[in-house]
Amino acid sequence: DGGITQSPKYLFRKEGQNVTLSCEQNLNHDAMYWYRQDPGQGLRLIYYSQIVNDFQKGDIAEGYSVSREKKESFPLTVTSAQKNPTAFYLCASFSWDPKGNYGYTFGSGTRLTVV
Amino acid sequence: GQNIDQPTEMTATEGAIVQINCTYQTSGFNGLFWYQQHAGEAPTFLSYNVLDGLEEKGRFSSFLSRSKGYSYLLLKELQMKDSASYLCAVGNYGGATNKLIFGTGTLLAVQP
Repeated sequence: DGGITQSPKYLFRKEGQNVTLSCEQNLNHDAMYWYRQDPGQGLRLIYYSQIVNDFQKGDIAEGYSVSREKKESFPLTVTSAQKNPTAFYLCASFSWDPKGNYGYTFGSGTRLTVV
Repeated sequence: GQNIDQPTEMTATEGAIVQINCTYQTSGFNGLFWYQQHAGEAPTFLSYNVLDGLEEKGRFSSFLSRSKGYSYLLLKELQMKDSASYLCAVGNYGGATNKLIFGTGTLLAVQP
């Protein structure tokens, strides 16, 4: 079945370390996105990419980096410059299917905790 | 600026009807989405409105008024499994900007 796979589901990071969150999709979608969700808050956009080898900063890009070397993959690196990285991270891809779902398809998320 | 407002929390009774409102002010508009999110899980798509009016899909309906910047999600015959957060999001597509802007979500608690 087509979908978006995020790994790992849970991730623990020591302060000062960089960590990379994986996001892979087999939906053949061009656009991919990373969101961050904090308790009791909505989704905030970190980075997005509409085509391979191109990406744009979202609303809260500081302390994060991404790459888009393949259409299927959009990994997110949380760097040591991100002061408050503990959050739930969601990856999504976008499609426009007039017969079915519109908008985003989400991965199952990665919960990152700084210890 | 971009602003999407929803109530933070709502409580309703099993079997009843609940309406979750969403107002928005955004620089672009390409449709309004509603998503359901259970705790610790990814959001799942519920509905999409791009024209004014009511869209019905089983127990869930969604309404849009573009002139008023207003939408609501109507849940009928509430079930305990409907306890979740409901996210309102505005599509903003075009050129280099292709993204969804989310509200903070409404946490719905369904009581027996």
